[in-house]
Amino acid sequence: GAVVSQHPSRVICKSGTSVKIECRSLDFQATTMFWYRQFPKQSLMLMATSNEGSKATYEQGVEKDKFLINHASLTLSTLTVTSAHPEDSSFYICSARTSGRSGANVLTFGAGSRLTVL
Amino acid sequence: DAKTTQPPSMDCAEGRAANLPCNHSTISGNEYVYWYRQIHSQGPQYIIHGLKNNETNEMASLIITEDRKSSTLILPHATLRDTAVYYCIVTNQGGKLIFGQGTELSVKP
Repeated sequence: GAVVSQHPSRVICKSGTSVKIECRSLDFQATTMFWYRQFPKQSLMLMATSNEGSKATYEQGVEKDKFLINHASLTLSTLTVTSAHPEDSSFYICSARTSGRSGANVLTFGAGSRLTVL
Repeated sequence: DAKTTQPPSMDCAEGRAANLPCNHSTISGNEYVYWYRQIHSQGPQYIIHGLKNNETNEMASLIITEDRKSSTLILPHATLRDTAVYYCIVTNQGGKLIFGQGTELSVKP
């Protein structure tokens, strides 16, 4: 079946540094990917929709200059958390639409990336 | 997108059927019902989806009421590995998946 690979799975960084998280569709092409974040004991919150070859669409309240999204190819989207601060510590999860199934919202999710900012 | 309401938590005995309800009384005609689950500290996993008819796959069955205002996800023989948070999401094709609080299912031996 469809697989979405996310890297790194865990990252610890110092406050003020930038961190890049990669999301790859391994055996299918994904024109649309989604980025979510999840705080402990809370549900997933959609951050942005990443479209191959165009600018990402951010949800209300998500700072586009802080969370840079690049979707340069049909199999890779990246999320860069710029100038990270402790409040950015969270579980970041990407997903991709898998084509070929009826119902366009069948998403395959990555395993998530846990970011800890010291 | 239509709002969904799910009980916050449920228990189920191992080997028994787990029936997880979802209310979506404001669902519109072109909106599908999707179910995903998230095992602790992992990415969500797609389970099943449907529009009007009941659906079954290797993981679960989805029963949608005739008026489409509610649905039930059925795990026919729950195992300990089915312990997870189950999310019922209603949206149209091409719409965004917005996760609610879901139901935390605990399968107990």
